[in-house]
Amino acid sequence: ETGVTQSPTHLIKTRGQQVTLRCSSQSGHNTVSWYQQALGQGPQFIFQYYREEENGRGNFPPRFSGLQFPNYSSELNVNALELDDSALYLCASSLVGAPGELFFGEGSRLTVL
Amino acid sequence: SQQGEEDPQALSIQEGENATMNCSYKTSINNLQWYRQNSGRGLVHLILIRSNEREKHSGRLRVTLDTSKKSSSLLITASRAADTASYFCATDAKKSSGDKLTFGTGTRLAVRP
Repeated sequence: ETGVTQSPTHLIKTRGQQVTLRCSSQSGHNTVSWYQQALGQGPQFIFQYYREEENGRGNFPPRFSGLQFPNYSSELNVNALELDDSALYLCASSLVGAPGELFFGEGSRLTVL
Repeated sequence: SQQGEEDPQALSIQEGENATMNCSYKTSINNLQWYRQNSGRGLVHLILIRSNEREKHSGRLRVTLDTSKKSSSLLITASRAADTASYFCATDAKKSSGDKLTFGTGTRLAVRP
């Protein structure tokens, strides 16, 4: 039990639609990161938020965007969904300055048809 | 993109045997971590080894790190059926902060009762 919760757990969208995924960080953690994990692959870093500002971004297009709120909860938004966006989306919280351990939620599995 | 690869991609052993997984990475790192993932769920942190350490133990886990070869190994001793999962190594590049991780492709471990 990591204390990180994500919603929804599963969802199905069609190509071109938009989706919002939500994450509640572990208490006291001020940094949230989002990862995309395609089937059979390792997670890939999308972006990180610290104090409500983007603090690093991986190789993902601008249609992937995020928000972090004052209570450290977070959202991942994906516009103009494509079939390749089908994946498990993982949220992870951490404490800036800590040696790097991430606390992951159970993920949101997105299927794009 | 993936930082590196785990080897083997899949491993099947009998309960009580030891399991060894290897990880290779590409860039200079601050730390290397190992995570476990049960069947498409969230990742759980197992162990972190710093770039100036060569070996670390935690319970039945033993991790080694060879920065000259850019490789690491995870040994699980006296395996149990409950160890069945995918195992990922993750690194943070020396130029980044400690919590933006690049994951490998994973090793799927099956422990037969």
